[in-house]
Amino acid sequence: LAKTTQPISMDSYEGQEVNITCSHNNIATNDYITWYQQFPSQGPRFIIQGYKTKVTNEVASLFIPADRKSSTLSLPRVSLSDTAVYYCLVGAATTGTASKLTFGTGTRLQVTL
Amino acid sequence: DSGVTQTPKHLITATGQRVTLRCSPRSGDLSVYWYQQSLDQGLQFLIQYYNGEERAKGNILERFSAQQFPDLHSELNLSSLELGDSALYFCASSPPGQAYNEQFFGPGTRLTVL
Repeated sequence: LAKTTQPISMDSYEGQEVNITCSHNNIATNDYITWYQQFPSQGPRFIIQGYKTKVTNEVASLFIPADRKSSTLSLPRVSLSDTAVYYCLVGAATTGTASKLTFGTGTRLQVTL
Repeated sequence: DSGVTQTPKHLITATGQRVTLRCSPRSGDLSVYWYQQSLDQGLQFLIQYYNGEERAKGNILERFSAQQFPDLHSELNLSSLELGDSALYFCASSPPGQAYNEQFFGPGTRLTVL
């Protein structure tokens, strides 16, 4: 499984855009990049997934360069409720159902006024 | 609310005991996954079932076992409990036929072993 490296923590003020970068130098050809969010004492929640270029949904954007060795999760105009741990995961999406998730240490985002 | 339910929410027991954690997946989901989250180990995958059959195994101890029943609910059995088994146990489910790694996590069961 491709190993991921992301900052341990980040701080931001409310209303700012936050970019969390994850490096995954040994990503395989059939690997997808997936981000999850976790609040204290709650289960992780899927945010976004992509393979290459840019993916956007109502919550976030995911930027993936051509070499796919890194990715950046972008959270527009964060609020206090975005304070959470964000996990970057890399792995193949198997046919039939989702594959097991391998979580790293994640990035703890703290948003303040 | 993800649609995945877990019971009980909290469980306090003593070392050497055995407990059963229960999970009901979202309607229509065939896969169930179990994860353990402890302070020192982070979130770790334990085991996956798909439509009643074991699909993948992670770092699950021999003292732990799981099964998925015909109605697709799953149970995680933990026996000969040790202090180090104290953790949050999450169940997740995912629908069949999807090509991406979205899993829906339940609220978790907090196990405390005294």
